[in-house]
Amino acid sequence: QKEVEQNSGPLSVPEGAIASLNCTYSDRVSQSFFWYRQYSGKSPELIMSIYSNGDKEDGRFTAQLNKASQYVSLLIRDSQPSDSATYLCAVKKPVTRDMRFGAGTRLTVKP
Amino acid sequence: IAGITQAPTSQILAAGRRMTLRCTQDMRHNAMYWYRQDLGLGLRLIHYSNTAGTTGKGEVPDGYSVSRANTDDFPLTLASAVPSQTSVYFCASSDRGTGDDTQYFGPGTRLTVL
Repeated sequence: QKEVEQNSGPLSVPEGAIASLNCTYSDRVSQSFFWYRQYSGKSPELIMSIYSNGDKEDGRFTAQLNKASQYVSLLIRDSQPSDSATYLCAVKKPVTRDMRFGAGTRLTVKP
Repeated sequence: IAGITQAPTSQILAAGRRMTLRCTQDMRHNAMYWYRQDLGLGLRLIHYSNTAGTTGKGEVPDGYSVSRANTDDFPLTLASAVPSQTSVYFCASSDRGTGDDTQYFGPGTRLTVL
């Protein structure tokens, strides 16, 4: 079992719709969770971090964390073509504090 | 402020050759990391350094070595390159002292080993 799992996609949504990206992790004691966006040929850039159960909103982005289910998600409201990218879920290991990344979900927002 | 720079941008290398990928950051971050990114496998940690003078192994350290002589530089060396080391390599840094520990990535080096 991979430490961090994501659906590889591609996920395609129409412009203006809500895009929902999901991630599960295997280490139950993980405490820190991150979503990165990576445009084709570019480096990953941080979108959001979340540390507590529940929702965290930042503009059109909402991260959701459920530690009991070992599940973290990212919702993108009013999706724009510029949101088309690969989204990487990352989990920080509790002792070493190293990051483990999922393989990423490719999102396409169609005009 | 440049953030993190990596060199070279891309490189084609013959198998068996030695290669050093360079990484420099100007944010005075104490921690630095090297990842490789392969299609379908995502980012995998090769080596890391929590502070100057210390290094540690990540998920996939075999065939790679690192050094951290100062805060700013964190070179990655392939002693004898093999085709399976063809990948995109990202350097990253973070400030572990703040508790935020967000990792910031360099632009990457695309390495092809023939």
